Amino acid sequence: GQQLNQSPQSMFIQEGEDVSMNCTSSSIFNTWLWYKQDPGEGPVLLIALYKAGELTSNGRLTAQFGITRKDSFLNISASIPSDVGIYFCAGRSGGTSYGKLTFGQGTILTVHP
Amino acid sequence: DAGITQSPRYKITETGRQVTLMCHQTWSHSYMFWYRQDLGHGLRLIYYSAAADITDKGEVPDGYVVSRSKTENFPLTLESATRSQTSVYFCASTAVLDEQYFGPGTRLTVT
Repeated sequence: GQQLNQSPQSMFIQEGEDVSMNCTSSSIFNTWLWYKQDPGEGPVLLIALYKAGELTSNGRLTAQFGITRKDSFLNISASIPSDVGIYFCAGRSGGTSYGKLTFGQGTILTVHP
Repeated sequence: DAGITQSPRYKITETGRQVTLMCHQTWSHSYMFWYRQDLGHGLRLIYYSAAADITDKGEVPDGYVVSRSKTENFPLTLESATRSQTSVYFCASTAVLDEQYFGPGTRLTVT
């Protein structure tokens, strides 16, 4: 099936630093989504992207739908301790029926106070 | 304002037993999904449903059965549990087709 390559696998940063992570695919995607998962909880939707080139913000989070439609990026500015968690990208590839999302492996973010 | 709930949150069962995991959503979303989350595999789709009485297989459906007699409920049954089905199971739902909202998960251990 489809695969998404998410990087980095983990990040250790100081509070206040900016964070960048990305997701790439070998095929074209029609939708990109970014989720955050806290320990013991389900993933929570952060940002949804539907158009190539689209740049969308949600507070300190900014995500972009890559021009090639094969990648997406998530940036977190001025990180705080509550940003700790696992961040997942997800997408629906061209030709895939609605509802069938593919998920990346996740980026584990640790923020040191 | 419960949103989407799952029960039980934790379950331990023995190999060969039948287990049913429950999922309930209060949004009247048409689409509902079941995923399993395992280290090294991320989230994988087991089954999904576009509406009551309409279900379809996902990536890893073997050993699982679903039903959807009511829009708000989407139970997942393991007919004869195996150790390989030890996992964390998430239910999700959506009205806007690609923006899925997840429940808190059920941690299932098969001994």
